[in-house]
Amino acid sequence: DADVTQTPRNRITKTGKRIMLECSQTKGHDRMYWYRQDPGLGLRLIYYSFDVKDINKGEISDGYSVSRQAQAKFSLSLESAIPNQTALYFCATSDIKDRAGANVLTFGAGSRLTVL
Amino acid sequence: AQSVAQPEDQVNVAEGNPLTVKCTYSVSGNPYLFWYVQYPNRGLQFLLKYITGDNLVKGSYGFEAEFNKSQTSFHLKKPSALVSDSALYFCAVRGDSGAGSYQLTFGKGTKLSVIP
Repeated sequence: DADVTQTPRNRITKTGKRIMLECSQTKGHDRMYWYRQDPGLGLRLIYYSFDVKDINKGEISDGYSVSRQAQAKFSLSLESAIPNQTALYFCATSDIKDRAGANVLTFGAGSRLTVL
Repeated sequence: AQSVAQPEDQVNVAEGNPLTVKCTYSVSGNPYLFWYVQYPNRGLQFLLKYITGDNLVKGSYGFEAEFNKSQTSFHLKKPSALVSDSALYFCAVRGDSGAGSYQLTFGKGTKLSVIP
């Protein structure tokens, strides 16, 4: 089983619909992240969480919300999807104790979202 | 604000030849530098990192990277390219001080194609 699992892997939806992308991890890491990847733009941070009670906005949080249900689960929601949210979304984790590693991220396989 | 530049969208190299993928950065304080690789339909995988110490860092799959403080560069290299190295490569940076220094900033990615 993958260390970081994302569901669904692919989703096509319509403008205005609510969408949730889920992420679960078996790494035991405290820190979890949601990134968005667009061709030619690289990865941009949407939200991150350092523990269950700590949620922080990233570079492009508008139009998104997150929930950290447990140490191992971090979900991303699009309350009312719009076409420019069509992208590949990645969940990632890192170990707060890994001082020497300094934020080495473990990524999930990605969730491809298409908003029509 | 911290930033990463990968000046080449694509790099083509013949199999067996040396390869270089370029990266320059801007960050507050000392840099923590990373290279990640993304194979088709997969999440990003960690290749190597520079935190401190020797300027030449060795990583997975025979890759290495050279940290050059004066040029603010962290170029990825491999002495002999393999067709299986064909992938999308991302450079990332975070600083050790200043606002947001715990967040990784990614470059836009460089597509490496190794020609048989």
